[in-house]
This record gives sequence, C-alpha cells and structure tokens, in this order.
Amino acid sequence: DAKTTQPNSMESNEEEPVHLPCNHSTISGTDYIHWYRQLPSQGPEYVIHGLTSNVNNRMASLAIAEDRKSSTLILHRATLRDAAVYYCILRDGSARQLTFGSGTQLTVLP
Amino acid sequence: GAGVSQSPSNKVTEKGKDVELRCDPISGHTALYWYRQSLGQGLEFLIYFQGNSAPDKSGLPSDRFSAERTGGSVSTLTIQRTQQEDSAVYLCASSLARGLAGGKSTDTQYFGPGTRLTVL
Repeated sequence: DAKTTQPNSMESNEEEPVHLPCNHSTISGTDYIHWYRQLPSQGPEYVIHGLTSNVNNRMASLAIAEDRKSSTLILHRATLRDAAVYYCILRDGSARQLTFGSGTQLTVLP
Repeated sequence: GAGVSQSPSNKVTEKGKDVELRCDPISGHTALYWYRQSLGQGLEFLIYFQGNSAPDKSGLPSDRFSAERTGGSVSTLTIQRTQQEDSAVYLCASSLARGLAGGKSTDTQYFGPGTRLTVL
C-alpha cells in the first residue's frame, strides 16, 4: 500500500470543527482512502472511506483533493469523546490487512 | 448486534510459558485478522484467515506464533515460549470480505477490544 503522512498531533476545542489532514502523494488510481480511529484502551473503529468524491456519514466527512494526493477528515463538531488517534490508510483492490501508520493524536479541549 | 469479542482481556504470564488468546468474530464474517500493538507503536499485522483458504501468515514475527480458526468462526492465537518483547495488546478484527479476492478495498474491519499481554 502507498504511504500516508499525517501530523503527529492536533488540538481542537469542544464543539468546534476539526480538519485532520492526510498526504498521500504516491496514491494509485485504485487506492481507496480509509480513516479509522482508536479511542483510548479500545480497538480501532472505522470512520469513513472514499475514492474520488467527497463523502459524508453520521460520524464525519471526507474531503478528497482533486488530484487525490491529499485528503481531509472533517469532524463537524468535536466532542470530548472524539479524542483519539486518527489513522489515514490507503487500500488497493487486493487489500486484505490494514497497514496503520502512526496516525494523528487528536486532543479535544473542553 | 454483538461485536468482536476477545478473551482474556488481560493476561500476565512468565517468560517461557505458552499463552492462548481467543477471538470470537462477528457472526457471518468470513475474514478474520490478528494484529498487535506494542506500547507506543502502531498496529502490526500478524495473520489473516479467509473462509477455507490457507491463512496468510506473512506477519507472524517468529515460529513461536501460530493461529488457527476452527469451523470458520472462533480463532485462537498461540504464543509459545513467550518473551518479554511479546508484551503488547493483541487485537482481532473481522470483516465480511465480499468479493473474489476476499478483501475488497472497501471492506470494513471491525475490531475487538484486544487482549493485553504482559510477559514478566
């Protein structure tokens, strides 16, 4: 799988939007962009995924750059429960296991 | 419905002993994965099961590690002659794994809470 680059950490205030960036300049045309998050002392959980178009679900939105070399996970109103490590992962058509990088540690301030 | 469950939640063992970690995947999920997460490290893939196919063992760090999946459901990860560097959280995940490849790029993995293994 192609490599992703994320900031090590970010902070946000509660009830404000959060934009978590991910760079993936070597992405291939068939790579899907997935986001998972890991809350403290829990296993990772799926957040969202997309290929080319922006995606929305009940948890978040995913904005994908036109050239697909970067993407942004958007939490519209951060809550304390959103404090977690967020992982941006690329998966191609043969993907089986997930390849996790170091992710972004999001801290939400009350 | 019920998610992925793992047992025990915590395991403390002495160096040199064998341990078995159990994973109950979501009912109907044909794919099952084991990962481990060492302190301050990212998640590392260990092994993958898909239906009746031979497992992908490419992530196992040594021959002391083995896993089986009985009846296409429950899986057991066994670590023989444990070493201190085996201390980690062992995570299991399952997925529906639709598609001929058994792991389509849109497939969502559902993780269990993990087993924290401490080797003294």
